[in-house]
Amino acid sequence: SQELEQSPQSLIVQEGKNLTINCTSSKTLYGLYWYKQKYGEGLIFLMMLQKGGEEKSHEKITAKLDEKKQQSSLHITASQPSHAGIYLCGAAYSGGGADGLTFGKGTHLIIQP
Amino acid sequence: DVKVTQSSRYLVKRTGEKVFLECVQDMDHENMFWYRQDPGLGLRLIYFSYDVKMKEKGDIPEGYSVSREKKERFSLILESASTNQTSMYLCASARQGGRANEKLFFGSGTQLSVL
Repeated sequence: SQELEQSPQSLIVQEGKNLTINCTSSKTLYGLYWYKQKYGEGLIFLMMLQKGGEEKSHEKITAKLDEKKQQSSLHITASQPSHAGIYLCGAAYSGGGADGLTFGKGTHLIIQP
Repeated sequence: DVKVTQSSRYLVKRTGEKVFLECVQDMDHENMFWYRQDPGLGLRLIYFSYDVKMKEKGDIPEGYSVSREKKERFSLILESASTNQTSMYLCASARQGGRANEKLFFGSGTQLSVL
């Protein structure tokens, strides 16, 4: 089974509406990363969360880490067309960064005007 | 800003060909990674390297090899390309963070088609 589950797989949201994407790990997290990818391109780093209860924001995007649930949520407020793309969460299961990240399958976000 | 450069955005090869995918980073990062990305499967780690001439298998190393002769360059090699290796290949690099996590910086990807 997948170590890192992302939901939903895809999301269609009307411009201006809020939305939430979830990422749940079956193993203890050392760190949780959120990336955004435009179709056919590389991944752009959004945020990194390490401590339980940590919350970070960048422009209209907020991410939280629930250590007890081993879960992170990404929340977009007042969505815009520029938010469209694929959102991926990546989990670090050890420190140091040498082992890379395990990724969820991604959430395809479409913003309808 | 860190720059991770992949040599080709699009590549078309024939079955049985030897294929080299090149990746160069300009920030003196110790760690480098190769992932492939497929619809419905997400990103999967092929190989990674934490030092020059060092390499470690990821989750799906079969059919691939890597080379890291210089710190800034990490090459992915498909010894005999097959159609099931058609995919988007993503290279990434990161600092060695000791006890701390270090984020991965990604290249723009190479879309490889094997015919």
